[in-house]
Amino acid sequence: GAVVSQHPSRVICKSGTSVKIECRSLDFQATTMFWYRQFPKQSLMLMATSNEGSKATYEQGVEKDKFLINHASLTLSTLTVTSAHPEDSSFYICSAKGIEQYFGPGTRLTVT
Amino acid sequence: EDQVTQSPEALRLQEGESSSLNCSYTVSGLRGLFWYRQDPGKGPEFLFTLYSAGEEKEKERLKATLTKKESSLHITAPKPEDSATYLCAVHAPNQAGTALIFGKGTTLSVSS
Repeated sequence: GAVVSQHPSRVICKSGTSVKIECRSLDFQATTMFWYRQFPKQSLMLMATSNEGSKATYEQGVEKDKFLINHASLTLSTLTVTSAHPEDSSFYICSAKGIEQYFGPGTRLTVT
Repeated sequence: EDQVTQSPEALRLQEGESSSLNCSYTVSGLRGLFWYRQDPGKGPEFLFTLYSAGEEKEKERLKATLTKKESSLHITAPKPEDSATYLCAVHAPNQAGTALIFGKGTTLSVSS
């Protein structure tokens, strides 16, 4: 139980394009989901907290217009990286709050 | 500012050589300390939650303990498959819910 999936697992896009990443809780409902970013050999840094049916709360320094988050249902949150640039290349990981906080497998974004 | 510090940064063990990983934290109003395991290129896998000083939890070769200012993850007779990065995190309040603040992790390598 308590499985969180992410799609896609890897994506390569060109600079200036937008990319959408999906996060789903497969066997439980999550009113709260979180989006993290992890750079090589660094720990996870919280980007934003997503609550179903309301606007996401972004951490200081995270551009809300660049990283669009939608939590449309109790099992799905999406992160859209708009006008991506090479510096946005990173490992994006979502988590969903059930009994504990469970993480997805991550999405490797490479912007060329 | 809330902070989680893990030591050592890296640890190399021979198979069967027991050792401990440490996590110290400074957070006002601890509402849970969490241990996760992360394999390269994957999302964190939940291991334990500890809530109060003196609490201990075990899972296979792993045992986590908690004091008022730190937590230890002891690994007994490790095997090569225990090689991974072990992350410590604490619950900290943010505007919209409780997110996790992560330490930088301890990368464990177990050789046969």
